[in-house]
Amino acid sequence: ETGVTQSPTHLIKTRGQQVTLRCSSQSGHNTVSWYQQALGQGPQFIFQYYREEENGRGNFPPRFSGLQFPNYSSELNVNALELDDSALYLCASSLTGGPYNSPLHFGNGTRLTVT
Amino acid sequence: SQQGEEDPQALSIQEGENATMNCSYKTSINNLQWYRQNSGRGLVHLILIRSNEREKHSGRLRVTLDTSKKSSSLLITASRAADTASYFCATDANDYKLSFGAGTTVTVRA
Repeated sequence: ETGVTQSPTHLIKTRGQQVTLRCSSQSGHNTVSWYQQALGQGPQFIFQYYREEENGRGNFPPRFSGLQFPNYSSELNVNALELDDSALYLCASSLTGGPYNSPLHFGNGTRLTVT
Repeated sequence: SQQGEEDPQALSIQEGENATMNCSYKTSINNLQWYRQNSGRGLVHLILIRSNEREKHSGRLRVTLDTSKKSSSLLITASRAADTASYFCATDANDYKLSFGAGTTVTVRA
């Protein structure tokens, strides 16, 4: 059983640029959720994808967008990067259409630094 | 905004001692989950307790849930150096997402 893998592990971008983060789900999982974790804080929900469609969204602006592919892997895209976007971005996969009684399996995250 | 709030923010204990941390939340929930995060890495699921359960055990972990007080506690018994990590509670309020608190940082001294 392969776990959740994220790439890249670290990334440095300049304000105003665009970034794409990638995630491969744990095998057998059909739902992917993305979280942003600022230093010293808990993860904040960005959005969730189930069967290639957005299943819910947190309080993040439209410049945060995502995709889920038929093999359940996923991408997080952030346009017009701002300094406050610097954070650890976590991808988590789970089974079924939501977290109901279903634990999340997290990757090790992508550390994004915006300068 | 975060649904759960952990208390204390930080905890330092001697190896072999017990560690207790608490979580309070605001809205009704389906279940509550606890996760561990080692420095800068992904979160690892520890235990899930459903809203109709009051206590659950897993190895050295004991979780309680009091839905009338909207609170939960996590007890780690006989702590080890490897338990040094941040611990987060996360609530499932039947709205497709888990909402995490800010976490409790636990340091176990040898």
